[in-house]
Amino acid sequence: EAQVTQNPRYLITVTGKKLTVTCSQNMNHEYMSWYRQDPGLGLRQIYYSMNVEVTDKGDVPEGYKVSRKEKRNFPLILESPSPNQTSLYFCASRIGGANVLTFGAGSRLTVL
Amino acid sequence: DQQVKQNSPSLSVQEGRISILNCDYTNSMFDYFLWYKKYPAEGPTFLISISSIKDKNEDGRFTVFLNKSAKHLSLHIVPSQPGDSAVYFCAASSSTSGSARQLTFGSGTQLTVLP
Repeated sequence: EAQVTQNPRYLITVTGKKLTVTCSQNMNHEYMSWYRQDPGLGLRQIYYSMNVEVTDKGDVPEGYKVSRKEKRNFPLILESPSPNQTSLYFCASRIGGANVLTFGAGSRLTVL
Repeated sequence: DQQVKQNSPSLSVQEGRISILNCDYTNSMFDYFLWYKKYPAEGPTFLISISSIKDKNEDGRFTVFLNKSAKHLSLHIVPSQPGDSAVYFCAASSSTSGSARQLTFGSGTQLTVLP
């Protein structure tokens, strides 16, 4: 089944404790992206990647890092999480020039 | 500054009636528009889209209308069913950004279809 898989789905952590949210897609998509969803703000893009070793900032990149060492994986790294990073995170992917994104099921992160 | 706005956070409709969800945008460079549906504990899923060269696109019970002069689009669901209860996100992109084609999302509208 074609899908985007995120892990963990739920995580509660404390301020300053580094964490990584993994994202993997099995559709051979070139483009991958991370979004966060917050009440009243919709989905805001954090980082995106056009292909392996090519990443760029989205609208809200502060406090996040990403890497794209393999085509299928695009992990989101929070080096020193803070409470304002408490949110629902979505990874998504698509074929290079297409418009339609396929989303993962989401990862709900709480930073205390 | 939100470039894509969904001014109604919620909408309730009776089963069998029409649901109309609205979306406004400010960036005149947007030329492709999409609607996504999101159920609780799931990721958004693509529903329907429209290019700026059209003013209407229909797919079964779902129709999207685009009014470029007003920078407004709407999603009509007829007839509405309880299974349509979800959050609906409007999104837009511009071909001027090349293959990047970043999607800008609205804040979403929670649709509740009452049996």
